[in-house]
This record gives sequence, C-alpha cells and structure tokens, in this order.
Amino acid sequence: KNEVEQSPQNLTAQEGEFITINCSYSVGISALHWLQQHPGGGIVSLFMLSSGKKKHGRLIATINIQEKHSSLHITASHPRDSAVYICAVLPTSGTYKYIFGTGTRLKVLA
Amino acid sequence: AAGVIQSPRHLIKEKRETATLKCYPIPRHDTVYWYQQGPGQDPQFLISFYEKMQSDKGSIPDRFSAQQFSDYHSELNMSSLELGDSALYFCASSRRRGAYQETQYFGPGTRLLVL
Repeated sequence: KNEVEQSPQNLTAQEGEFITINCSYSVGISALHWLQQHPGGGIVSLFMLSSGKKKHGRLIATINIQEKHSSLHITASHPRDSAVYICAVLPTSGTYKYIFGTGTRLKVLA
Repeated sequence: AAGVIQSPRHLIKEKRETATLKCYPIPRHDTVYWYQQGPGQDPQFLISFYEKMQSDKGSIPDRFSAQQFSDYHSELNMSSLELGDSALYFCASSRRRGAYQETQYFGPGTRLLVL
C-alpha cells in the first residue's frame, strides 16, 4: 500500500464542471504539496499546506491533519486545466524527502 | 520572482554515454533535491545537498553522482547510460531555517531520452 494515495486516478470532465481530487496519506507530515504536471513534464507547485485551506484563483486546497486527507478543488474547470495533479507529502521523519502520490490525470473537454 | 532553473530542458543520449544535468536553485536557497520520474511512474527521490554537503541519499544508482557547488547550484552526473535511465529529472530547492527546511520549490525538469 502506497503511503500517499490519490483518487481518482483518471478523471474526464466537461468544461465548467467542479472537480475534486483527493489525497490520503498514512504518515505524519509537516507539509503537503499539490503539484501540476503538464504534458512534457514540467512541474508547477500549486499549493503548500500544513493546515486549513488555501485558495488561488479557481483552485482551492484543503487539508485535514487529523484525518490525514487533503483535497484539491477546481471550480469552473477549463480545458487548460488538463494535466496530471500530484499530491506530495513531507514526512515529519526529518529527512526532507517528499513522498509522491500516483497522480490524477485530469482531462477537461471543451 | 526567480524560480528553480534546470538545464538542459531536453537531452538525448545513446547507451553508455554520459550526461550532466544542472540545477540552479532559487537565490538564497541552500538545499537542493534531485528526483527522477520514469514514464508513468511516481517521482522518486535520488539525493539532496545542503551547504555543498550530501544531506540525504535515496535510490540513486552507483553510476550517478552529484555535487553542489559554492554558488549552490548542483549537477547530476550520469555515466554508462542505460535505456531505463530515460526519465524526467527534476530538482527542487529550499532554505534551511535552524532545524527546519522551508518549502521546496520545484524546477521544470530535464527530460532525458536514452536511445
């Protein structure tokens, strides 16, 4: 069982739909990162969370430390949101190595 | 704001050749991390450096070596390349504050293709 699991693995949505991607982890963490990876591989950091909720434009990320769970929401989705979204956690073990989830491949259709 | 810079962005090599990937951290960041992401796979931690010293080691093959220089940039040297080394290699940088590391910022990655 992976220490970081995401769901769904693949998601196809129509433009304008509200999208939720979930991340569950089994280790104690000091931070959680949501990353966006476009075709070609470049990675963009969307959010870094250690508690609560953050919002940036149409993106909202929440984390529940007690339940070891985080969600990434995309409101009014657009085809340019099509990408792989990766959840990465920084364990409290002190090694500063991120553990990455398997990613959620999102395709938004026009 | 300046981000993490990696060069080259794309690289094609043949088996048994060598390759050098470079990572330039965000200014004032003292720690660099290297990750490898094979096709369809999760990124895996390779190695990290803090203040020019290796701070942690992951699944880095013996054929690979890395170092961090006095200007804090890092280079990943890969020798005797194999087909299975084809992957996206991206680095991240952060700054240490006392006993803690601040958040890591990821570079865009170098896509290596070994033919």
